[in-house]
Amino acid sequence: DADVTQTPRNRITKTGKRIMLECSQTKGHDRMYWYRQDPGLGLRLIYYSFDVKDINKGEISDGYSVSRQAQAKFSLSLESAIPNQTALYFCATSLGGKEEKLFFGSGTQLSVL
Amino acid sequence: QQQVKQSPQSLIVQKGGISIINCAYENTAFDYFPWYQQFPGKGPALLIAIRPDVSEKKEGRFTISFNKSAKQFSLHIMDSQPGDSATYFCAASKGGYGGATNKLIFGTGTLLAVQP
Repeated sequence: DADVTQTPRNRITKTGKRIMLECSQTKGHDRMYWYRQDPGLGLRLIYYSFDVKDINKGEISDGYSVSRQAQAKFSLSLESAIPNQTALYFCATSLGGKEEKLFFGSGTQLSVL
Repeated sequence: QQQVKQSPQSLIVQKGGISIINCAYENTAFDYFPWYQQFPGKGPALLIAIRPDVSEKKEGRFTISFNKSAKQFSLHIMDSQPGDSATYFCAASKGGYGGATNKLIFGTGTLLAVQP
């Protein structure tokens, strides 16, 4: 089945460390997204990309960067992790055009100590 | 700024009962209102969505009711089952029929527990 795969599923790191979360998809979608989920805050958009050469900031991009290595790969980096970046991170894809459905991966639980 | 307010934060319903989750929005330009369902350990998945040209949309046991004048929309789960236990997120966006997934504003989520 076409899927959205996130690695790692869980990660514990220390304050100040650089960390990368990876996302790959086999859905053939052009649009990819990174969201952050926090209890009581819902899902908030960090970055999105509508094609390989397109990168856009979302609602909460400070402290994060992304790279779209290929149509199927979209990675999220925390250059210098801090404790308030502890959260559940989701990658998502969509077809674009008239299709508005987001397809989410299973998430990466990140803990910054 | 929270543009989509969701309530309640958590909900316990008996099997066979009706679950109701409410959302209110501020931006009258919003024109797409989806609901996402999230099971533990999984990412959210689109459950049902509505546009403001209709007041109600039903898919199986799930119904969205939309009140444009009150700027509110709600999810009703009829005959709730233990398998419906999940977190539900409402969302809203503007962008026309072509979609605006990059502009989706999510509510804070409702944890639903359906007791057997």
